[in-house]
Amino acid sequence: KAGVTQTPRYLIKTRGQQVTLSCSPISGHRSVSWYQQTPGQGLQFLFEYFSETQRNKGNFPGRFSGRQFSNSRSEMNVSTLELGDSALYLCASSSGGTGEEKLFFGSGTQLSVL
Amino acid sequence: GQNIDQPTEMTATEGAIVQINCTYQTSGFNGLFWYQQHAGEAPTFLSYNVLDGLEEKGRFSSFLSRSKGYSYLLLKELQMKDSASYLCAVRDTASGTYKYIFGTGTRLKVLA
Repeated sequence: KAGVTQTPRYLIKTRGQQVTLSCSPISGHRSVSWYQQTPGQGLQFLFEYFSETQRNKGNFPGRFSGRQFSNSRSEMNVSTLELGDSALYLCASSSGGTGEEKLFFGSGTQLSVL
Repeated sequence: GQNIDQPTEMTATEGAIVQINCTYQTSGFNGLFWYQQHAGEAPTFLSYNVLDGLEEKGRFSSFLSRSKGYSYLLLKELQMKDSASYLCAVRDTASGTYKYIFGTGTRLKVLA
């Protein structure tokens, strides 16, 4: 079974630009969640999509948005980039249930904002 | 509020035993997870606890006390490859749906 695929692996942008990150979950997984990881803050939850609907949202400004397609692939968009948006963005997929419902993470997109 | 605390860094010697603690305060609780993350790589699942007690998986064990809001990850017979960050995460049910709250991670260095 192929793992979670995130593209691109690295991105360099300048302040004010916008960026779109992509995540392809494990086949059969309907839940995709996104996290921002920085050295000081750890993994911060951005949002979760399940069957094309945003099921949960973290405490990030509206510049961060996402969507999920019918094939469960998800995209995350950040508009009007700020220096503080420099981070590793991880997506994770799961079947979206409970119990020992582990998250499977992609390798992440390392975003640098100059 | 929601808060997960774990030590920032720990150092241990190859062959030894190390215990990484995690305390949490969340509005709801539906399970505690431990993930391992090597530098530059994705986090990978290690263990899951939803009931009080100890879960053992080979060299790794995880303990949970829900009344104390406390968990630990025990790593035995440490190997150099265990040098990584260990993330404690709680699945919170406060909003009526499930949300994973992560701690900032404990960076473990295993010395020869």
